[in-house]
Amino acid sequence: DTEVTQTPKHLVMGMTNKKSLKCEQHMGHRAMYWYKQKAKKPPELMFVYSYEKLSINESVPSRFSPECPNSSLLNLHLHALQPEDSALYLCASSPSGRGGEKLFFGSGTQLSVL
Amino acid sequence: TQLLEQSPQFLSIQEGENLTVYCNSSSVFSSLQWYRQEPGEGPVLLVTVVTGGEVKKLKRLTFQFGDARKDSSLHITAAQTGDTGLYLCAGARSNFNKFYFGSGTKLNVKP
Repeated sequence: DTEVTQTPKHLVMGMTNKKSLKCEQHMGHRAMYWYKQKAKKPPELMFVYSYEKLSINESVPSRFSPECPNSSLLNLHLHALQPEDSALYLCASSPSGRGGEKLFFGSGTQLSVL
Repeated sequence: TQLLEQSPQFLSIQEGENLTVYCNSSSVFSSLQWYRQEPGEGPVLLVTVVTGGEVKKLKRLTFQFGDARKDSSLHITAAQTGDTGLYLCAGARSNFNKFYFGSGTKLNVKP
């Protein structure tokens, strides 16, 4: 199994809603990532977890809250989002987080905030 | 401001033509990767280069890492319609796997 699975594929939420994005991999990878990609733009790194510990937070607003319950799962909890947060949210994993490793991406969750 | 600038931003060519995409920076990278992304999907890794001057070939695709490890190029020979997509370079500046993505090149290969 070389897949990173993200759910849901599409999500529409209001600015007062609370929702969660989920990401799962069963490749035994110990580094997991959240990226945000606006239309026609490259992915921007949000968070990195290494061995289930948050190792990088790219100054992401607190309305985005990541969680890594175990080495296979990564969640992104969303609360009080703004319309400008609408984007494709990509999860990725890599074996250990060392430089030059291949990133395995999921298909993403297309988020629309109304 | 992008750490990595790609050119051209858009490229529309006929099947069978050759093309080169450039990825430039003023920063030195410990490694650089090229990805291809199709609409509604996540990026898929094509290649990783780590040594200055390194050249890697993947069928009709040739990747080069600059001697100073600040730039890279992707050359496609005899493009096919299946090559259509968004090409992204991504550089890592330290030993940790924190990649900065380039601005992207959207390639359209017409039959």
